[in-house]
Amino acid sequence: KAGVTQTPRYLIKTRGQQVTLSCSPISGHRSVSWYQQTPGQGLQFLFEYFSETQRNKGNFPGRFSGRQFSNSRSEMNVSTLELGDSALYLCASSRDRVVEGLFFGEGSRLTVL
Amino acid sequence: DQQVKQNSPSLSVQEGRISILNCDYTNSMFDYFLWYKKYPAEGPTFLISISSIKDKNEDGRFTVFLNKSAKHLSLHIVPSQPGDSAVYFCAADRGSTLGRLYFGRGTQLTVWP
Repeated sequence: KAGVTQTPRYLIKTRGQQVTLSCSPISGHRSVSWYQQTPGQGLQFLFEYFSETQRNKGNFPGRFSGRQFSNSRSEMNVSTLELGDSALYLCASSRDRVVEGLFFGEGSRLTVL
Repeated sequence: DQQVKQNSPSLSVQEGRISILNCDYTNSMFDYFLWYKKYPAEGPTFLISISSIKDKNEDGRFTVFLNKSAKHLSLHIVPSQPGDSAVYFCAADRGSTLGRLYFGRGTQLTVWP
């Protein structure tokens, strides 16, 4: 069974640009969550989608947005990039409740120069 | 606000001995707790979980203990192996926040021969 796939794995952007990251969940998983990992803050929750609807959102500015498609694939977008957005962005999928465990992808490493 | 705290950023243990990783939480609404392991350049991997109605859960070499009155949980690894060297994240789930986990900042475990 294929795991969670994230693309691209690595990318470099400059301040002010925007970026789109993609996530394909495990087949049959309808919930997709996004987390930002930085050395000082650990994993910070961005948002979660279930059946194309955003069910939950973390405390990030509106520059961070996402969506989910009918096939459960998800994208997240960051506009007007800032240096502080440099981080590992992790996507995770699950059937529904997180009590079954979130299954993470390998992440997309974003560097903002 | 860091609702899940791992106060030890690192732990070093000799192979064969016990590793004890600690985690504290502040939100009494958390009803499920999970531990994740993360190797460099990989996404976190689900390790073990425990419901708030239990005080112990065991899976092979891994045991998680929950002390609700102290809002404290710990992960015991016995015996520790060099392959266990990784960053361990404690996470908590609040039943009403579907799709969201609250993570600690992680503890780097190093198991030396």
